[in-house]
Amino acid sequence: EDQVTQSPEALRLQEGESSSLNCSYTVSGLRGLFWYRQDPGKGPEFLFTLYSAGEEKEKERLKATLTKKESFLHITAPKPEDSATYLCAVQSVFFGAGNNRKLIWGLGTSLAVNP
Amino acid sequence: NAGVTQTPKFQVLKTGQSMTLQCAQDMNHEYMSWYRQDPGMGLRLIHYSVGAGITDQGEVPNGYNVSRSTTEDFPLRLLSAAPSQTSVYFCASSREREETQYFGPGTRLLVL
Repeated sequence: EDQVTQSPEALRLQEGESSSLNCSYTVSGLRGLFWYRQDPGKGPEFLFTLYSAGEEKEKERLKATLTKKESFLHITAPKPEDSATYLCAVQSVFFGAGNNRKLIWGLGTSLAVNP
Repeated sequence: NAGVTQTPKFQVLKTGQSMTLQCAQDMNHEYMSWYRQDPGMGLRLIHYSVGAGITDQGEVPNGYNVSRSTTEDFPLRLLSAAPSQTSVYFCASSREREETQYFGPGTRLLVL
């Protein structure tokens, strides 16, 4: 069964303390893996798309990497404004409901960065 | 450029009432979709549209209707609200079906 698991569920860091969030997936044919950031009371905001194992993308203090089984979101020297829930979603090459390729969302990692 | 807008921000309904959640985008995106987000469930696709006049069902379409008369607007109708429809609803849009999606701020719905 196609599945996306994010860990940890919650993470509390001190400002400047680097860490990584994990998104492990099981899908019948990966088309793409997406990372989004969601602030409380707001909609998800796109961060990265990764398509193939070995691919890496960076944006400010964030770096996303992809292997055949998982993706990591590395946060270097985080600041309080990086506090948010980080969502991972995996798109299958196969179609699910209607004519859409299946997009499976994880439950997210809630990150809190203390000053 | 407002992006994706949703109204209302918050709504309380009684069981059996109907209502329409509004969604609009000003990016000329062809693809629009509605999701619900529930604790422990992740985002789930309700309905989507690949262009004006074309809609299709997602994973959890029961109890919801949609229409797409213009490129900009994609309203979601609850026909007869049930407590199980208590959720946060997000509208999203993208240039094409499988490109990056841009989400609205959400509508928090409570059905009593």
